[in-house]
Amino acid sequence: KQEVTQIPAALSVPEGENLVLNCSFTDSAIYNLQWFRQDPGKGLTSLLLIQSSQREQTSGRLNASLDKSSGRSTLYIAASQPGDSATYLCAVRQETSGSRLTFGEGTQLTVNP
Amino acid sequence: DTGVSQNPRHKITKRGQNVTFRCDPISEHNRLYWYRQTLGQGPEFLTYFQNEAQLEKSRLLSDRFSAERPKGSFSTLEIQRTEQGDSAMYLCASSPPDSRYNTGELFFGEGSRLTVL
Repeated sequence: KQEVTQIPAALSVPEGENLVLNCSFTDSAIYNLQWFRQDPGKGLTSLLLIQSSQREQTSGRLNASLDKSSGRSTLYIAASQPGDSATYLCAVRQETSGSRLTFGEGTQLTVNP
Repeated sequence: DTGVSQNPRHKITKRGQNVTFRCDPISEHNRLYWYRQTLGQGPEFLTYFQNEAQLEKSRLLSDRFSAERPKGSFSTLEIQRTEQGDSAMYLCASSPPDSRYNTGELFFGEGSRLTVL
């Protein structure tokens, strides 16, 4: 059974700092990995998706990397801003799951002005 | 593209009542998913449709829960005889068919928050 772990559970940083969020998964037979952002009481917004054959994806100040063999992904946020404050979730899709995602519990990020 | 739409956004009900949530996926997305999220946790998979066929159901989906997608477009999730433990955010997502040009990305709605008193 796939298990996804996100570390740290919460993170508070001053504005402008670069930061890294970590995601690990136990079963490396994944189809893809997706990073989401969730604001309080809201749905999930897709940030980046990395296919199993890829090593990284970039969008603006965000960069996500994937090391499938070691079961790890990182989300790098450059020059953090107060508007980045949210919960960040990673989720993996197995090769054989029929599309369901397995989520981590998220990292709650606070960027202080 | 209007995104995934969920209604109602909030529902407060008394224990023992039935509730129904509706999800309208992004048009032409043939795959539709329901997830449940409790406070401080990541979403948990409930069920998955490809067109009108319900292809996967989680063990979380007890016999009080039923989901339908009768015409392969919108979907409903009904909870019968609600219990306080059903209080959660119910999230719907959709995705297009897998293809050479499709990444398999899921797009989520804003969720329907259920509070059972």
